[in-house]
Amino acid sequence: QVQLVQSGAEMKKPGSSVKVSCKASGGTFGSYGLSWVRQSPGQGLEWMGDIIPVFGTADYAQRFQDRVRITADGSTSTVFMEINSLTSADTAVYYCAGGPYNADYFEFWGQGTLVSVSS
Amino acid sequence: DIVLTQSPDSLAVSLGERATINCRSSQNLLYSSNNKNHLAWYQQKPGQPPKLLIYWASSRESGVPDRFSGSGSGTDFTLTISSLQAADVAVYYCQQYYGTPVTFGQGTKVEIK
Repeated sequence: QVQLVQSGAEMKKPGSSVKVSCKASGGTFGSYGLSWVRQSPGQGLEWMGDIIPVFGTADYAQRFQDRVRITADGSTSTVFMEINSLTSADTAVYYCAGGPYNADYFEFWGQGTLVSVSS
Repeated sequence: DIVLTQSPDSLAVSLGERATINCRSSQNLLYSSNNKNHLAWYQQKPGQPPKLLIYWASSRESGVPDRFSGSGSGTDFTLTISSLQAADVAVYYCQQYYGTPVTFGQGTKVEIK
């Protein structure tokens, strides 16, 4: 069974960037797709984008396309999500989540990373 | 984007009774090439990530109690908890993976009456 462990909580200033990591163990890295899903305080779930590490190309929700970059490092079985130009609206818990590479439902989830943006 | 609308937003059910959550899609989620509905259901408890319950609209994830079942096709789907237990208090989300972007319903909060 695949396990995902994310980096710790971050506090950022408006206009800055943040990079969150998600390290996978178990299974074969690259044989599944990995997505980033965020949840604003008290709100629902919002898909940001995904990557299939074996292919290396990422796909993004249109609203994040200009500010978000998802990358993968096969040598460390880690996926990264970087957001630029942070605003207070980006304050949320960010989850990495994975499942079959050809069907975007999520069998396994990271524990979540809280990113707080405040001046 | 495909919009998923869940109903109700919240419901309170007595222990041992049935709970039913509906999810309506703005587009057909039945993919003709594999004859499968690209819809999943998740359970989320406070402070935890979501947990996959159902995929392909009606396939139960390994380890999920059989009191959870999914049904429906096309644009209308249902998650049923046949006999509500205290451990089932949570928020439930439907999710479509037919199109990009993946989208989620707004969530349904299930409580004990």
